Formats: sequence, C-alpha cells, structure tokens
Amino acid sequence: AQKITQTQPGMFVQEKEAVTLDCTYDTSDQSYGLFWYKQPSSGEMIFLIYQGSYDEQNATEGRYSLNFQKARKSANLVISASQLGDSAMYFCAMRSYGGATNKLIFGTGTLLAVQP
Amino acid sequence: DAGVIQSPRHEVTEMGQEVTLRCKPISGHDYLFWYRQTMMRGLELLIYFNNNVPIDDSGMPEDRFSAKMPNASFSTLKIQPSEPRDSAVYFCASSSPGWGGYTFGSGTRLTVV
Repeated sequence: AQKITQTQPGMFVQEKEAVTLDCTYDTSDQSYGLFWYKQPSSGEMIFLIYQGSYDEQNATEGRYSLNFQKARKSANLVISASQLGDSAMYFCAMRSYGGATNKLIFGTGTLLAVQP
Repeated sequence: DAGVIQSPRHEVTEMGQEVTLRCKPISGHDYLFWYRQTMMRGLELLIYFNNNVPIDDSGMPEDRFSAKMPNASFSTLKIQPSEPRDSAVYFCASSSPGWGGYTFGSGTRLTVV
C-alpha cells in the first residue's frame, strides 16, 4: 500500500531562518514522483517542487529544495530564508507511475508559522 | 492559460437539496481528479478520470455522490441529497501524463445546513 507520512502537525520558524519539513513515504513501485504543495489560509493548493524517483540530484526551486533520500524513503522540504508569506499548510504527496495506481496521495500536512 | 476553473466558489444549501459542482480542466490535460478536504479527514481523492473515462471511484463516499465528464473540458460532481456531513472544500485538479503533477482549481467551499 502507498502511504505518505508527515509527522510534524505544526512548526515555528523565525523569519530569515531555514526550516525543514519532514516527509516519509512508502511504495513498492520503482517509478514514482514526490511533490510538495503549499496551502495558504486563502485555501488554494500551490505546487512548489517535484522530485522523480530516478532523479540523481535533489530538486531545487528558488528558496525551496527537496532533500531526497531514496534508501530511507524520505523527501523533506527545506525552505531557506523563511518569509512571513511562507506561513501556510504544507502537504507532501506521491504519485506512482507503475501499475494501475495513477493517483496523487497526500500526507496530513504540516502547518508552518513564520514569526517576525 | 486560465488554469483549472471551478464553480461556484462558495455554495450554501439546505440538507436534502441537490448540489452540483463544476470543473473546467486545463486544455490538453487528460487526467481529472476530484478531491474533498475536511479538517478531520484531510485531502481525500473521490474519483478520477482519464480521457473522460472514470478510472477509480473507490473514494466516492456513497451513492449520493456521482461524477461525470461528458467531454474533455468539463466535469461535474453531484451530491443528491446533500447532508451536513458533506460540508467540505471540494477541489478539482487536472494533470498531463508527462510530468505527473496536478494543477488544482481554487476549490468550492460547500456548506450544508
């Protein structure tokens, strides 16, 4: 069975500091993608970053980077130089490309609060 | 591209009434997904379509829920009759097979009183 686990219900970080949001996953498929989405208080789901299971290097998108450790099945999101606007709920998600499963499954989310 | 468009943004209805949520996916995307988000259950996949054909509806909670995709540019999620426990935010998302990520609509906040 496929599963995404986010063990941090909430996190605090000081403005301008870096923060790591944890995500572990479970799948028996060899080909899969890992995603992070941001959901601010306004409610929309905003795509942040993607990592493919065969990608050798960790994905980066501006201040976001994904710390991909395949053997440990972890895909942590690192936000550098936190800003007040980063305060939001963050979801880790996975999509397997093998077999009949083709759906994006989500973790329970981490609520990040950036403090001035 | 206008993105995934959902309507209405907000819907308040009385218990027992029929509710229809609408979604227009991004042109060229051949996957369409309906999710429901609640505080208690998080983001749940209700159903998804590939090339307008329903592939997996195992997440549809019960027979009161139905979804259709008559063409590549339109999908509906219908609840009949609605109940207070159906109150949630319903998201539609679409995807192309090459990249695999989803683009979400803005969601419909449904309140059943």
